Amino acid sequence: AQSVTQLDSHVSVSEGTPVLLRCNYSSSYSPSLFWYVQHPNKGLQLLLKYTSAATLVKGINGFEAEFKKSETSFHLTKPSAHMSDAAEYFCVVKGSARQLTFGSGTQLTVLP
Amino acid sequence: NAGVTQTPKFRVLKTGQSMTLLCAQDMNHEYMYWYRQDPGMGLRLIHYSVGEGTTAKGEVPDGYNVSRLKKQNFLLGLESAAPSQTSVYFCASAPGGEGNTIYFGEGSWLTVV
Repeated sequence: AQSVTQLDSHVSVSEGTPVLLRCNYSSSYSPSLFWYVQHPNKGLQLLLKYTSAATLVKGINGFEAEFKKSETSFHLTKPSAHMSDAAEYFCVVKGSARQLTFGSGTQLTVLP
Repeated sequence: NAGVTQTPKFRVLKTGQSMTLLCAQDMNHEYMYWYRQDPGMGLRLIHYSVGEGTTAKGEVPDGYNVSRLKKQNFLLGLESAAPSQTSVYFCASAPGGEGNTIYFGEGSWLTVV
């Protein structure tokens, strides 16, 4: 069995300040982990993925995430938020069952 | 370069009506998925398929049926729609193997009145 917990349902930051979206996972296997972003009324776009290579993963639009096995975490960060980053973010785990398990999402608000 | 295409994008149904959502992918992917998205609940897996002619139940399969007669298509059917099935439905596809990126369609908004 596998599960994903996104620790914050809403995060607000000011433009130009760092972003931290937290994700913890559990999996019986060595998982693949993903972060997806969803803008209003749009589909899901892949930000980045971890597949057992480097633990620090860089994605699009300046986002990155660090896989920490000891903490079972895969937090998403960005050094400086932009207004266009306002969206909902999903942490996803893909295990050996060939299924995806989604977190419940974190809504990011960027204040001017 | 279509990727994953869902039709229709919007639909309003009356309780008890039936309908089919079509998902088509042009990437020769083995795996296909149907999810529903409800506020505060993320995406929940309805059914999935690991290859042509195969289907399996996900987390919330009740009230839905699926078919994968052709590799590129994955159909989601509602036999007798209920208001609880009002949701946004996302189709996704992925190559076989672990760690491969999953590609999503743009969603289908379904309202059951």
